[in-house]
Amino acid sequence: SQTIHQWPATLVQPVGSPLSLECTVEGTSNPNLYWYRQAAGRGLQLLFYSVGIGQISSEVPQNLSASRPQDRQFILSSKKLLLSDSGFYLCAWSVGEGYTFGSGTRLTVV
Amino acid sequence: RKEVEQDPGPFNVPEGATVAFNCTYSNSASQSFFWYRQDCRKEPKLLMSVYSSGNEDGRFTAQLNRASQYISLLIRDSKLSDSATYLCVVPASGGYNKLIFGAGTRLAVHP
Repeated sequence: SQTIHQWPATLVQPVGSPLSLECTVEGTSNPNLYWYRQAAGRGLQLLFYSVGIGQISSEVPQNLSASRPQDRQFILSSKKLLLSDSGFYLCAWSVGEGYTFGSGTRLTVV
Repeated sequence: RKEVEQDPGPFNVPEGATVAFNCTYSNSASQSFFWYRQDCRKEPKLLMSVYSSGNEDGRFTAQLNRASQYISLLIRDSKLSDSATYLCVVPASGGYNKLIFGAGTRLAVHP
């Protein structure tokens, strides 16, 4: 079956520290992968998407970067976190014309 | 017009009520649409896809009006378990199955 894993579930990090969030999918090959962020009380904002290994497209300028070192692995990173990076980070992959989301990482930058 | 607009609510309704949410979108070329449900502090989950004129699944009916560029979601016989935020979702321009999510409409069903 097709599943998506995302970790960690929650994270509290100090300002200026690095970040690495990982997302992996199982049961499919060459999926389109996406990173979204949801700020408190706000809608989902598309951050990055990837259509294949090493292919990353950024949707908005920001303090974050993404990488896809393997077909089923998508990583979101930052070298130095800002307070404004706090939010609920969601990885998704497209299934036909809809998405399946991972369970998300709730990041609080303090 | 924003790419996707929804009434944020909250809609507070009693059990058994019928409630409808509307969503407007700006890209007239969009072909497929979705409603997602998001529970508090959880990931969104696909509720319904909306193609052509609409779709029905049990107590849920989604309708599409292309001329006016709006999508609606009707929930009949509301249950306590329907309490959640409902996200209207439309395709983004540029392909690659990118989706734009509305900010959501919050529904609270009370006894």
